[in-house]
Amino acid sequence: EAGVAQSPRYKIIEKRQSVAFWCNPISGHATLYWYQQILGQGPKLLIQFQNNGVVDDSQLPKDRFSAERLKGVDSTLKIQPAKLEDSAVYLCASSMQGVNTEAFFGQGTRLTVV
Amino acid sequence: SQQGEEDPQALSIQEGENATMNCSYKTSINNLQWYRQNSGRGLVHLILIRSNEREKHSGRLRVTLDTSKKSSSLLITASRAADTASYFCATDANAGKSTFGDGTTLTVKP
Repeated sequence: EAGVAQSPRYKIIEKRQSVAFWCNPISGHATLYWYQQILGQGPKLLIQFQNNGVVDDSQLPKDRFSAERLKGVDSTLKIQPAKLEDSAVYLCASSMQGVNTEAFFGQGTRLTVV
Repeated sequence: SQQGEEDPQALSIQEGENATMNCSYKTSINNLQWYRQNSGRGLVHLILIRSNEREKHSGRLRVTLDTSKKSSSLLITASRAADTASYFCATDANAGKSTFGDGTTLTVKP
C-alpha cells in the first residue's frame, strides 16, 4: 500500500516570497491533516479536512496561509508571504473516517525561510 | 494549546535496558496515540489506546493509560540502538483532531 506522498522534500525561499506544498493521501482516506513542526517541538495542527470540507482550521494563520483539498483527494498548502518564523517541517497525514483511527504521516517538507 | 506533555524531555540508556516515557494531558480524551520520529523523517504510528482501555502491547512496546490521573506511559523493553528516536504522545479529544506534545528524545547507546 502506498503511503502519504509529499513534495517537495526541501524548499528554501526568501522572506515575503510565496511557497506551496503538495500532499497525496493514502487512497480511501477521507481525513487529511496538515501539521507544522518547528525544530524541537511536536507537530501543531494547522488544518483538518474531511473529504473536501474543512473540519478545523482554528490554528491556521489565515492572513498568510491557505489550504485546499480539491475533489477530496490531493491537497495543497500555500504560504504567502512567508516569514522567517515559518521555517519548519510541514507534515501531511491522512486517516480513515471516524474516531479511534490511526493517522499515517508523509515524510514532510522542510521549509527554510531566509 | 498543548494537550499532551511528555516526560522526560530526553532519556539516554544502554542497549538492552528498558525505556519508560510518560505523557500527561489535561482534558478528557477519546484515545491516546504514541508515535516515533527518526531524525529528519515523518512520524510512525506505534500504538493507539482507547479511553476505556488500560493497557496495550505491541511487540516490545507496552502502553498504559490511567484516565483518572490523565496520564499514559510507553515502555520499550530490551531497547536497541535502532530505537533511538523522538517519541510523541498525541491525544484525541475531538473528532480525530490529535494534539501532540513536544516529545521525549531517546538515545540508546550500543
